[in-house]
Amino acid sequence: QQQVKQSPQSLIVQKGGISIINCAYENTAFDYFPWYQQFPGKGPALLIAIRPDVSEKKEGRFTISFNKSAKQFSLHIMDSQPGDSATYFCAATSGGYQKVTFGTGTKLQVIP
Amino acid sequence: EADIYQTPRYLVIGTGKKITLECSQTMGHDKMYWYQQDPGMELHLIHYSYGVNSTEKGDLSSESTVSRIRTEHFPLTLESARPSHTSQYLCASSDWGQGASVEKLFFGSGTQLSVL
Repeated sequence: QQQVKQSPQSLIVQKGGISIINCAYENTAFDYFPWYQQFPGKGPALLIAIRPDVSEKKEGRFTISFNKSAKQFSLHIMDSQPGDSATYFCAATSGGYQKVTFGTGTKLQVIP
Repeated sequence: EADIYQTPRYLVIGTGKKITLECSQTMGHDKMYWYQQDPGMELHLIHYSYGVNSTEKGDLSSESTVSRIRTEHFPLTLESARPSHTSQYLCASSDWGQGASVEKLFFGSGTQLSVL
């Protein structure tokens, strides 16, 4: 049973546009929600993370929106650039990464 | 520079061979992890370690084994490789609970294993 559902599976956005990736979770015990970015041939790297006591977190062009009542969170990439083309994974955990559940990933392509 | 290293990057072997995937980190992290990643699928935790002499199995059943004799080293071994083991294996470490402001996994670049 997949505890974190991620959509869409793939996304094509024009340069300068907004990329939006959505995730939904079921386990209300989750208390940490990181997003990882993975380029081809590389391991994932943490992009941004949020805890459920805030509804939004922004770092540069990247924003997480968190809706605790709906058990949903999303990643917004503003002014998307070709260099943002990568696979993005949402994740959720409670009490450490040994308990983390990852989404299935979204392959983002930003076209010029 | 602090980092996490995996070798080899690519490995093609025949069925029945014993293999060891190497993973080392220079960050002094207590916690280390092995994930299996297939295209279009989420990362699955197969092993983790809280520190030296600590090893635990993850959520995904795996025929591999791990050891943690030194803090910096966390190798994964397959005694008898099969085609079903073909996958990408990612090693990671974390300083979760050691006072970091942001809890994150530091990943290696992975080993792509193909078993013929």
